[in-house]
Amino acid sequence: QVQLQQSGPGLVKPSQTLSLTCAISGDSLSSNGVAWNWIRQSPSRGLEWLGRTYYRSKWYNDYAVSVKSRITVNADTSKNQFSLQLNSVTPEDTAVYYCVRGNRNTFDYWGQGTLVTVSS
Amino acid sequence: EIVLTQSPGTLSLSPGGRATLSCRASQTVTNRYLSWYQQKPGQAPRLLIYGASNRENGIPDRFSGSGSGTDFTLTISRLEPEDFAVYYCQQYGSSPPTFGGGTKVEIK
Repeated sequence: QVQLQQSGPGLVKPSQTLSLTCAISGDSLSSNGVAWNWIRQSPSRGLEWLGRTYYRSKWYNDYAVSVKSRITVNADTSKNQFSLQLNSVTPEDTAVYYCVRGNRNTFDYWGQGTLVTVSS
Repeated sequence: EIVLTQSPGTLSLSPGGRATLSCRASQTVTNRYLSWYQQKPGQAPRLLIYGASNRENGIPDRFSGSGSGTDFTLTISRLEPEDFAVYYCQQYGSSPPTFGGGTKVEIK
């Protein structure tokens, strides 16, 4: 059974960096055919895909255009976890953030979610 | 990017009733890569249907999906008390993956 356990602060100040980590159990970060995603949800923007990392003989990343200049998704194979960094946050980045496994062209396993509030 | 429009916004039904939820895409969803999720308050979305009509493991057979091209439907044949929730469609046929705005199924 795949489980995704998220960790990271729930409060970030404007202009600073949002950082979250997702620890994977029951699967490998380097599994073929699988991608590791970050998705957020807010009342104003709904469910929004942010980016992903995946391994196909080498590591690849894809990012949403809306955050492309501010986002980094990293894979840490030694800990079997991946992370999200979102720079220069504003109150509009306030949302529940989820780490999610992409497999079979769907999102099949979700982390528990982390409410991140951007406020001074 | 593909825009997904869900209707109705809210569906008020009684337990035992039949729910029909619609998801319309602004462009053809490649290979029918359309999924449906259920979300309850304070929880992450839960995968119900993928590939338009494939039920995820452990999902009751009262949930079924259909459709192709730009029009997709989720049907709940007999509503159980635990089915009252918000439902989202999502496409993975074109990048970026996108979600619909949701349909809330509430108790009448």
